[in-house]
Amino acid sequence: EAQVTQNPRYLITVTGKKLTVTCSQNMNHEYMSWYRQDPGLGLRQIYYSMNVEVTDKGDVPEGYKVSRKEKRNFPLILESPSPNQTSLYFCASRGTGGLQPQHFGDGTRLSIL
Amino acid sequence: DQQVKQNSPSLSVQEGRISILNCDYTNSMFDYFLWYKKYPAEGPTFLISISSIKDKNEDGRFTVFLNKSAKHLSLHIVPSQPGDSAVYFCAASVQSGTYKYIFGTGTRLKVLA
Repeated sequence: EAQVTQNPRYLITVTGKKLTVTCSQNMNHEYMSWYRQDPGLGLRQIYYSMNVEVTDKGDVPEGYKVSRKEKRNFPLILESPSPNQTSLYFCASRGTGGLQPQHFGDGTRLSIL
Repeated sequence: DQQVKQNSPSLSVQEGRISILNCDYTNSMFDYFLWYKKYPAEGPTFLISISSIKDKNEDGRFTVFLNKSAKHLSLHIVPSQPGDSAVYFCAASVQSGTYKYIFGTGTRLKVLA
C-alpha cells in the first residue's frame, strides 16, 4: 500500500531535549516536505526537499533541521525544542513530472512542556 | 502575508444540498490548485485539483472552479453527504521550480442529516 509513515504519532517532551520525527514514503517520490498545523493558521511549510541531499526552507523553518540522505526518508529534527513548537506536524511526498498532488502522513502531535 | 485565504472558518449544509467552499489567492504566479479533505486524527487527503489553464474540473460529486481574473477558486459538492463532514483546505503552487505549496487556513464543513 502506498503510504507516508510518520513516527511517533504522539510525543510529550520537555524544553531543550532534542527529538527527531521520522518520515518514510514507499512511493519512490523525489519531493518531500514537512508542515505544521496550528489553529487558525492552517498548514504552514517548514522545510522541503526536491531530492536526495537537496533541501530548502519553507515559510517557518526557525528551530527545525532536516536531512535527506535517502530518497525514502526525510526526518525532522528539533535540536532544542521550545513550547512554541507544540503543534501537529505532517510529512508529505509527491512525485515529479506533471501535475501531481502531495500525499500526507497521518500526523505527529508534539507537546513541548 | 496570507497568499491563500479561506475566509469562511465553517459551513453547515443540509444533506443532499450543495456545499460551496471558497478560496482566494493573491499570487498570480500560482498555476496549480488543489483541495484536500481532512478528518480528525488523519492526514489531509487529496480530493481534486485544477491547472491554471482550465476553469473547471469535475470528479464525481466534486467540481472545482477557477476564476483567474478574480483569483478565486471554489469547490462544489453535490449532493452533500454526512461523510463529507471534514475540514477542507485549498492549496496553491507554482509547479515550475520549487513545487512549494501554500495552504489556506481551512473550512470546517458540517453536513447535517
